[in-house]
Amino acid sequence: AQSVTQLDSQVPVFEEAPVELRCNYSSSVSVYLFWYVQYPNQGLQLLLKYLSGSTLVESINGFEAEFNKSQTSFHLRKPSVHISDTAEYFCAVSNFGNEKLTFGTGTRLTIIP
Amino acid sequence: DARVTQTPRHKVTEMGQEVTMRCQPILGHNTVFWYRQTMMQGLELLAYFRNRAPLDDSGMPKDRFSAEMPDATLATLKIQPSEPRDSAVYFCASARGGVEYEQYFGPGTRLTVT
Repeated sequence: AQSVTQLDSQVPVFEEAPVELRCNYSSSVSVYLFWYVQYPNQGLQLLLKYLSGSTLVESINGFEAEFNKSQTSFHLRKPSVHISDTAEYFCAVSNFGNEKLTFGTGTRLTIIP
Repeated sequence: DARVTQTPRHKVTEMGQEVTMRCQPILGHNTVFWYRQTMMQGLELLAYFRNRAPLDDSGMPKDRFSAEMPDATLATLKIQPSEPRDSAVYFCASARGGVEYEQYFGPGTRLTVT
């Protein structure tokens, strides 16, 4: 069985400051890793994913995440946040070759003007 | 702009009533997921289908919940009888199974059982 831990349930950050949202996973097999974002009253949207290849993956809106196999982590970072980044962020894992996702409990990112 | 659609968006019902939620996956997607989101439990996978056949429904309370795909363009989640503890947001997601691993989520159905 696999699991995902997001230790920070809430992260307040000043606008234009950097942010890191932490994600650790546990699995006995190779995994795919994802970050999804949920804006208020909406469904989840894929932010970025790691399937294979380069361990550093980027989104179109400036977020990046790095797969660290030795630390079983997939932390999400952004060098400078904007008000529009206010949302809940979910880390998720699936076993290699399987679409079934296990989600973390989410991190609510609040941007302070 | 292909999207997953869900109806109704909001549903308020009394305990004991039957509730049916519907989902239209993105055309060409052959895998459909049902999730439940609550403050206490977060996101839980209830069931998922591939090519209309159930692959895993271990997350679903069997005594009152049922999920089906009558055809490739419609997935349903039914609760009978409903209970206050079923109050949650129910999401449907679809994916092109075996091709890519991204799930596309619908906007959700917010269910309140009084």
